[in-house]
Amino acid sequence: SSELTQDPAVSVALGQTVRITCQGDSLRSYYASWYQQKPGQAPVLVIYGKNNRPSGIPDRFSGSSSGNTASLTITGAQAEDEADYYCNSRDSSGNHLKWVFGGGTKLTVL
Amino acid sequence: QVQLVESGGGVVQPGRSLRLSCAASGFTFSSYGMHWVRQAPGKGLEWVAVISYDGSNKYYADSVKGRFTISRDNSKNTLYLQMNSLRAEDTAVYYCAANYGLWGQGTMVTVSS
Repeated sequence: SSELTQDPAVSVALGQTVRITCQGDSLRSYYASWYQQKPGQAPVLVIYGKNNRPSGIPDRFSGSSSGNTASLTITGAQAEDEADYYCNSRDSSGNHLKWVFGGGTKLTVL
Repeated sequence: QVQLVESGGGVVQPGRSLRLSCAASGFTFSSYGMHWVRQAPGKGLEWVAVISYDGSNKYYADSVKGRFTISRDNSKNTLYLQMNSLRAEDTAVYYCAANYGLWGQGTMVTVSS
């Protein structure tokens, strides 16, 4: 099956911009979705498709993609953005109904 | 209210079975593929299984193939996961998720003697 690779941890100063990346072959065929997960809570979708935010997600969250790499950018990071972030896409190696996840990136806001 | 609510988790001995349910409300359940995703304590997300909107196609992660069965009842707006021959490594929070990105709050499954 496909694999998605993320940096395990990233930090950002309060109010600054941070980019979280995700690499994998499936991203050449499918857009990534991005999920935010805070301790003890379920994942919440923050970006899907080319660069779409579900209702209620602040516009400081944005997504982009190039080749086999997808990125989640937080412009003006806030303390409440400290969380684990997971990328997700369809699996391009077999059946497109399957999902694949990255290992997650722990974001620390300093 | 648009939501998914899982139930059925608990503590079970190795080798035993458990069935999880996921009740959907507030959206057209029968129009969407549905997934089960799990998260072992302190670990990342692991995709487990998917079922197409009409139940005609089902796929599984290699780690659960032959032991777990995903199913759905569109008349009841409910998704299921039948888990047989449970192992310690199946211990995790199990989430159901709609194909468009809505997730439930999860139900904990602990496999322990």
